[in-house]
Amino acid sequence: DTAVSQTPKYLVTQMGNDKSIKCEQNLGHDTMYWYKQDSKKFLKIMFSYNNKELIINETVPNRFSPKSPDKAHLNLHINSLELGDSAVYFCASSLGASSPLIYGYTFGSGTRLTVV
Amino acid sequence: TQLLEQSPQFLSIQEGENLTVYCNSSSVFSSLQWYRQEPGEGPVLLVTVVTGGEVKKLKRLTFQFGDARKDSSLHITAAQPGDTGLYLCAGFHMDSNYQLIWGAGTKLIIKP
Repeated sequence: DTAVSQTPKYLVTQMGNDKSIKCEQNLGHDTMYWYKQDSKKFLKIMFSYNNKELIINETVPNRFSPKSPDKAHLNLHINSLELGDSAVYFCASSLGASSPLIYGYTFGSGTRLTVV
Repeated sequence: TQLLEQSPQFLSIQEGENLTVYCNSSSVFSSLQWYRQEPGEGPVLLVTVVTGGEVKKLKRLTFQFGDARKDSSLHITAAQPGDTGLYLCAGFHMDSNYQLIWGAGTKLIIKP
């Protein structure tokens, strides 16, 4: 039933490790996103894919690499994790690239990443 | 520079009281949205306002878009504990290329 599901929910790892977060949506949406929410709850977009094609790539370290095998999936791989990467990462989807203007986003429940 | 300023940052009131939270900017927005985020969950869209001066109601929640489309308010009547959450406003700025610009949120606690 879950519209946008991401795994894992919690991720605790040591500095320097590589980790992945997976996201899947069953809404038939064309566009998917990765957002980072910092400790002050401020949401910042990282990447956006429309039909498997990267359309938004904000200023994010190269250690972060998104991959979209099909339009229902968008994964996030992070290399050489740093303390500052600790945050909640949200996957989201929308009907299309411009549809959020009216219809907004559907968010997953987030992955809390803690780097120790 | 944060384009959307939300106030107050934190509000704790008793059940049954009324409240208003604000989302302000010096920039004009094509549309503005309000989301509610509960602990451990992602934001959920409550409403989108598009026209200057527009008012939308969702049960006890009333949303207003400013005439100049630079600000918005959310008024809750007779608040209930279930209204507790982080209220985020987000808007599409004229030059944002379809990306939402987010405010930092108002954390609302309704005490029984």
